[in-house]
Order: sequence, then C-alpha cells, then structure tokens
Amino acid sequence: QKEVEQDPGPLSVPEGAIVSLNCTYSNSAFQYFMWYRQYSRKGPELLMYTYSSGNKEDGRFTAQVDKSSKYISLFIRDSQPSDSATYLCAVLTGNQFYFGTGTSLTVIP
Amino acid sequence: DAGVTQSPTHLIKTRGQQVTLRCSPISGHKSVSWYQQVLGQGPQFIFQYYEKEERGRGNFPDRFSARQFPNYSSELNVNALLLGDSALYLCASSPGMSGWETQYFGPGTRLLVL
Repeated sequence: QKEVEQDPGPLSVPEGAIVSLNCTYSNSAFQYFMWYRQYSRKGPELLMYTYSSGNKEDGRFTAQVDKSSKYISLFIRDSQPSDSATYLCAVLTGNQFYFGTGTSLTVIP
Repeated sequence: DAGVTQSPTHLIKTRGQQVTLRCSPISGHKSVSWYQQVLGQGPQFIFQYYEKEERGRGNFPDRFSARQFPNYSSELNVNALLLGDSALYLCASSPGMSGWETQYFGPGTRLLVL
C-alpha cells in the first residue's frame, strides 16, 4: 500500500468553478500535510501546509485534514486559468516525507 | 534573495556512466533534501542533509549518494546509471531539521539516460 494515494485526473473545469482535490494516506503517524502546485517543467511550489486536523484558508485556497479518515483535501474557489497545473499532496512525520502522484488540473477560460 | 538553484538544468548520459548534480540552498537554510520525480509521478524522497550529515534516506539503492558542504550546498551522485534513472531531480532547502514542511524547491535537473 502506498503511503499516500491521489487521483491523477486529469481534471478539467470552467473558469470560476470550485475545484476539489483529494488524497488519502495510510499511516496515522503523519503529522504535517502539504499541498504543492507544480507548473510544467518547474519545481513544486508550496501552497499550504496544515498540522493536525482542521481547515486552513489562504485566499482562494482551503486545505482540509480529517485525521480520523486519513483524508486530505484542497479546495480552490473561483478557479482561474492560471491555476492550471499539477497539484501534489504530501505528508510528513519525522524524517519520512511522501508525495502523492499529483492531479493535473486545467481551468478553461 | 535568490531561491534554490540547481545545476545543470539538463543532462544526457549513457547507461553505466556516473553523474553529479549540484544544489545551492536559499541563503540561511541549512537543510537540503533531494527528490527524484519520474514523468507522471510525484517526487520521491532520496536524501535529507542537515549540517553536513545525512539525516534521512529514502528507498534508493547505494548507487545514489550525496554530500553537503560547509556552505550548505549539496551534491547528488548517481553511479552506474540505468535507463530508469531518467527523471527530474529536485533539490529543496529548509531552515533546519524542523521546518521541513515549508521547504522550497529548485527548478530541478532533468537527466536523460540513453
């Protein structure tokens, strides 16, 4: 079983839509939960990180962690064409750091 | 301030050869991590170095090695290259052992093994 599972998509939405991206993880020991955005041929860029369960909001982005079901989500409100990228979830505990496979998102103008 | 820098940007090698990739962290960052990202997959953790010592290692063979220098820059070495080593190699830096959750990535080195 992989440490973190993520639906690779691709996901295509119209501009202005609400986007929901999701991951599940296997080990309850994971403490930090991150979302990265990666544009084509670039390195990942940290969007948000959360510690423990709950919600965290930053502008149009909301990260949600449910440790009881080992489920993490990223919501993007009012999606823009510039949000078109691959979104990677990641989990961390101690010196163990795991990424999901990434979900490719296209926002159509 | 400059971000994480990596060199070279692209590299072509043949099977069996050896390669060295270089990374300079953000000024003031003392921890460097290396990742391998195969096309269509998420990055896989290879190494973490802090204060010139290996602090974490992923599930990679001994052909992969790394080191960190007193100025906190780092090198990743891969020996006896295989076709499957073709990937984007990413370096990330963070302030210290803690703060790994806010690491910053460089643009990567794209390695093609023929």
